Amino acid sequence: AQSVTQLDSQVPVFEEAPVELRCNYSSSVSVYLFWYVQYPNQGLQLLLKYLSGSTLVKGINGFEAEFNKSQTSFHLRKPSVHISDTAEYFCALGSWGKLQFGAGTQVVVTP
Amino acid sequence: DVKVTQSSRYLVKRTGEKVFLECVQDMDHENMFWYRQDPGLGLRLIYFSYDVKMKEKGDIPEGYSVSREKKERFSLILESASTNQTSMYLCASSPGGLAGNTIYFGEGSWLTVV
Repeated sequence: AQSVTQLDSQVPVFEEAPVELRCNYSSSVSVYLFWYVQYPNQGLQLLLKYLSGSTLVKGINGFEAEFNKSQTSFHLRKPSVHISDTAEYFCALGSWGKLQFGAGTQVVVTP
Repeated sequence: DVKVTQSSRYLVKRTGEKVFLECVQDMDHENMFWYRQDPGLGLRLIYFSYDVKMKEKGDIPEGYSVSREKKERFSLILESASTNQTSMYLCASSPGGLAGNTIYFGEGSWLTVV
């Protein structure tokens, strides 16, 4: 069975501070890993994905994530957040063309 | 840009009504999906389709059915709406072939069943 666990349901952070969103996965087969962002009242937008190769993946809007196979993790980071980064972030595991999502992490950026 | 369009953003239906949620994609994608999003549960897959007239159950298909008569259109049907189907519904599409292809989402349909 496959699963995705996002360890924090909500992360408050001050503007210009760094943020890390944690994601752990469980799978018995090779997987692909994704981070999506959902701004208020919108659909999901891809931030980045890991398919193979370099374990450090860079995405849009200054986000990056590191794939760690031994720890079965795919944590998302941004060195300096903006107010506009306030959104919900979803980690997802892909296999057989489908995505299995974590429960989401709400990031609230305050001045 | 890929565009996935969901015909209704907000719907209010009565218990027992038959509800249709329509989705159209403009990129000739083979795969289409319907997800349901609830607070604290993330997105859960209801049904997906790899090709016209093909459909497979996802994780929570009970109470739902789907139709894909044309490649670009994927409909979600609630045969008899119930209050526990009040939720946000997201349609998505992706190219066929590689399993790591990006899945593109519509803006969602908020359904309230009263």
